[in-house]
Amino acid sequence: EAGVAQSPRYKIIEKRQSVAFWCNPISGHATLYWYQQILGQGPKLLIQFQNNGVVDDSQLPKDRFSAERLKGVDSTLKIQPAKLEDSAVYLCATLVGLAGGPGGELFFGEGSRLTVL
Amino acid sequence: KNEVEQSPQNLTAQEGEFITINCSYSVGISALHWLQQHPGGGIVSLFMLSSGKKKHGRLIATINIQEKHSSLHITASHPRDSAVYICAVRRPTYNTDKLIFGTGTRLQVFP
Repeated sequence: EAGVAQSPRYKIIEKRQSVAFWCNPISGHATLYWYQQILGQGPKLLIQFQNNGVVDDSQLPKDRFSAERLKGVDSTLKIQPAKLEDSAVYLCATLVGLAGGPGGELFFGEGSRLTVL
Repeated sequence: KNEVEQSPQNLTAQEGEFITINCSYSVGISALHWLQQHPGGGIVSLFMLSSGKKKHGRLIATINIQEKHSSLHITASHPRDSAVYICAVRRPTYNTDKLIFGTGTRLQVFP
């Protein structure tokens, strides 16, 4: 789906190493979400940005995960140090349209698959 | 209880069958999205609904705001429709929308 690019697509690291994921939406995607999807489960919200401000990071394991969205466009998600249970697909999604309004369209990146050995 | 419930969880069909997947939600929403995820693949947005009905090819989505219920129908199902279908609602809060996912419905269509 055009509109949100994620990188890298795949990453294999050993536990206790660090990793960073990038999400590059088209300019104008005000709301940005990072989700963690473990195999066989639904997406779990890690953090939500509105422009460059955090609106929900209640489920982000802040001792090891961090995320930022400088200038309200691109975003990075970092894990340091990684644990085995962090093996998952990390999805970036954006919402285009007025928050609270009936319109708007969701865009999803292809996801970044992390394997922690 | 989840704020967004989907049924059935798993669905098996023969090619050509008419398929219905249901979604019920318990919160006020600004919109509802139907999403598709193929095995090992990314998520694709199929429909965004705030009222009424939408149709795209063999897919039809309806929503009843009063009853807080939406359905996704697939007519003349095909093996390539095999995927997980996810209902997600947007709940408006302050200056943004929370996105709440249903548990997903795993569909397998056999030839």
